Formats: sequence, C-alpha cells, structure tokens
Amino acid sequence: KQEVTQIPAALSVPEGENLVLNCSFTDSAIYNLQWFRQDPGKGLTSLLLIQSSQREQTSGRLNASLDKSSGRSTLYIAASQPGDSATYLCAVLVGGFKTIFGAGTRLFVKA
Amino acid sequence: DGGITQSPKYLFRKEGQNVTLSCEQNLNHDAMYWYRQDPGQGLRLIYYSQIVNDFQKGDIAEGYSVSREKKESFPLTVTSAQKNPTAFYLCASSGGLTDTQYFGPGTRLTVL
Repeated sequence: KQEVTQIPAALSVPEGENLVLNCSFTDSAIYNLQWFRQDPGKGLTSLLLIQSSQREQTSGRLNASLDKSSGRSTLYIAASQPGDSATYLCAVLVGGFKTIFGAGTRLFVKA
Repeated sequence: DGGITQSPKYLFRKEGQNVTLSCEQNLNHDAMYWYRQDPGQGLRLIYYSQIVNDFQKGDIAEGYSVSREKKESFPLTVTSAQKNPTAFYLCASSGGLTDTQYFGPGTRLTVL
C-alpha cells in the first residue's frame, strides 16, 4: 500500500531564506507527483505537477524534483516571503488513478 | 471566470440525517473527485468520476454516495451510515485522471 510522508511536519524560517520541503513515497509505481499549497480553511492550489518520466519542474521561485527510484521529491522555495506561509502538501497518483496525499508541512515565514 | 464552486461553506447535521454537498465546475473537465480532510491529516479520497454516469470508490467510500448525471456536477451525500462525518470536504476536477487537479473552496461539515 502506497504511503506518502512529509518531513518536517512544521517549519519556521526568517524571510529571505531558501528552503527545502521533503516528500517520500513507498512505491515507485506512480503516474505523477503534485505539490499543492493550502491556506487555513481553504481549498488546495496546485503548484507543480511532475510526470513520472520527468525529473523536475520549475515555476517562478519554486522548483520541484522527483527521484522515482528512491521514492523522493523535494520542493525548493527560493527567497522565502511571509506570503509563502501555508501548508504544503505533496500527492502521488497511483494505479487505479487514486491520489494519495501526505499530511503536509506547515511553513511559517517570519518577517 | 472558470472554477469550482462548493456549497454550502458550512453545514450542520443532526444525528441520523443525510446531507448533500454540492460541487459544480465550469472548467469543462471530465474527471471529478471528492476528498475528506481531518485536522492535521492529508486528504483521503472518497469517490472519483472519470466521465458522466460513471464513478469509482476511493479509500473511504463507506457511508457516502455520489452521482454524476451532468459533466459539471458531482454531488456528495453523507448518509447516516457514516459514523464520524465531521470533517472538511473538498471537491476537485481535472481534464483527465493524470492531469493537474483543481480544487474548490471546501465545505465544513459538523455533526451536532
């Protein structure tokens, strides 16, 4: 059974710092991996989607990598800002077209 | 504006009642999903639908039912058989089952 783990569960950094969020999954048989952002009490916003054949995707200050063989993905956020404060979730699409989510990393960027 | 709407934003249910959560999308997406989120946890898949008149159970379908009579709409009914329905419910859609998922704002259901 696929399991998705995100470390750390919470992170507090000063504004301007570069940071890395980690996501690991137990079964490498995935179609793709997505990173989402969730603000308190809100729905999810898609940040990046990496297909299983890809190694990384970039959007602005965000860069996500995927190493399927080791079951790992990282989300790199450059020059963090207070507006980046949110919970970041990763999710993998597995056989049967089911999406499995991690519990998220709660990020706080201090001004 | 294209997007996904969910209603109501807050819903209160008495014990033994069935309630229906609405999800509508105008993105012309074929696939739609329902997830449940509990505090401090990730999302868990309840049901998903690839096309009209077809839907599949997710990991926690017991106590829930859905219909997909129109491409734009995917309502979720929480039945009295669901023992612990208090949670945040999120609807999503995507062009296809391997495409980016777009989420609605969610419905918070509380059992009184």
